[in-house]
Amino acid sequence: DAGVIQSPRHEVTEMGQEVTLRCKPISGHNSLFWYRQTMMRGLELLIYFNNNVPIDDSGMPEDRFSAKMPNASFSTLKIQPSEPRDSAVYFCASSLGGLDGYTFGSGTRLTVV
Amino acid sequence: DQQVKQNSPSLSVQEGRISILNCDYTNSMFDYFLWYKKYPAEGPTFLISISSIKDKNEDGRFTVFLNKSAKHLSLHIVPSQPGDSAVYFCAASAGGGSQGNLIFGKGTKLSVKP
Repeated sequence: DAGVIQSPRHEVTEMGQEVTLRCKPISGHNSLFWYRQTMMRGLELLIYFNNNVPIDDSGMPEDRFSAKMPNASFSTLKIQPSEPRDSAVYFCASSLGGLDGYTFGSGTRLTVV
Repeated sequence: DQQVKQNSPSLSVQEGRISILNCDYTNSMFDYFLWYKKYPAEGPTFLISISSIKDKNEDGRFTVFLNKSAKHLSLHIVPSQPGDSAVYFCAASAGGGSQGNLIFGKGTKLSVKP
């Protein structure tokens, strides 16, 4: 298995633009998590899905952020409009029951200028 | 308000010696704790975990100790190797080891010198 695949690896965009981050979880995993890593706040959970249904989105910072999981093999995190303070590394992780089973992707480094 | 705190941003250790990474938590509902390891340009990878019903869990060179009364856990690496140089994240959950919200600390960067 190729693991959790995130794209793009790097994204540089101008303030005000829409940004879409993509994630392909490990086949068969039924939970998917979006995390954001910053120097100030470390790793924060933004939202997680179980069986494609959003379970907890309390970590989503603002209405500018939205996440979807249209099927078991794909999820997106969208920021519209983007702001410089959104600059961070965004990680996607998937799991099949049990905390030990979290597998993280390599992350997308987002820079908003 | 950080519920999981790693107060040492960095730690430097000589190869062959013991590395001790510390983590404190504030939420008494946490009942499952994990350590993740992260290399640059990669995602975190699971290292070792411990349930609140235990006070120690060992896996090879890695041992995690849990002191519930002090709300403190630590990761011991013995002996330390240069390949252990990475950022280590402590994480906690109130989910009893099942699906739930993992709360991470900010991480400690470990450097193991040859």
